[in-house]
Amino acid sequence: QQPVQSPQAVILREGEDAVINCSSSKALYSVHWYRQKHGEAPVFLMILLKGGEQKGHEKISASFNEKKQQSSLYLTASQLSYSGTYFCGTVDPNSNSGYALNFGKGTSLLVTP
Amino acid sequence: DTAVSQTPKYLVTQMGNDKSIKCEQNLGHDTMYWYKQDSKKFLKIMFSYNNKELIINETVPNRFSPKSPDKAHLNLHINSLELGDSAVYFCASSQGGTLSNQPQHFGDGTRLSIL
Repeated sequence: QQPVQSPQAVILREGEDAVINCSSSKALYSVHWYRQKHGEAPVFLMILLKGGEQKGHEKISASFNEKKQQSSLYLTASQLSYSGTYFCGTVDPNSNSGYALNFGKGTSLLVTP
Repeated sequence: DTAVSQTPKYLVTQMGNDKSIKCEQNLGHDTMYWYKQDSKKFLKIMFSYNNKELIINETVPNRFSPKSPDKAHLNLHINSLELGDSAVYFCASSQGGTLSNQPQHFGDGTRLSIL
């Protein structure tokens, strides 16, 4: 089942912060975050496996609340290079999709000068 | 030394034709995938292939068939192409483990346009 992302789109000025949320109606085993720039392939950012886990990648970090079945991606002091579409992907160990990811519809982020 | 490579990058063809997209990964991964991304950027899993076990998304028409000659390749063959098949198709690979804690590496995509 597809996770739900919010917001659908966000526009920031360089240096501002943003939060992207990802929630699921099913129990989450892990949450993956990817960024896709226009015309390019999705690129891996991070994976969160445990409830309450937080991870960081430069000024991009994420949290995972297993109990609430949700994850949030935090972008601080945004840079122009952060622009793109952010996808969360979840794995349902009880599904018949193997290790494949069920992606949310994506959040389009635009950082302006 | 591209990790996951797909060919062709662009594919323009007519309705009713049969076409194939090739994918190769040199990462030594044991799981490969095909995803379809539609015009609204929705990424949807089509197939995953691990150790000769094929897992098919039940919503994928049987006109689509993956073929894996070896662990490093997973090709996608499409019969009787339809207008709705127009999309970007991404191949991906990962070191599939029981905990599924491995990142997926995507190819650059094949942009399929049906005339």
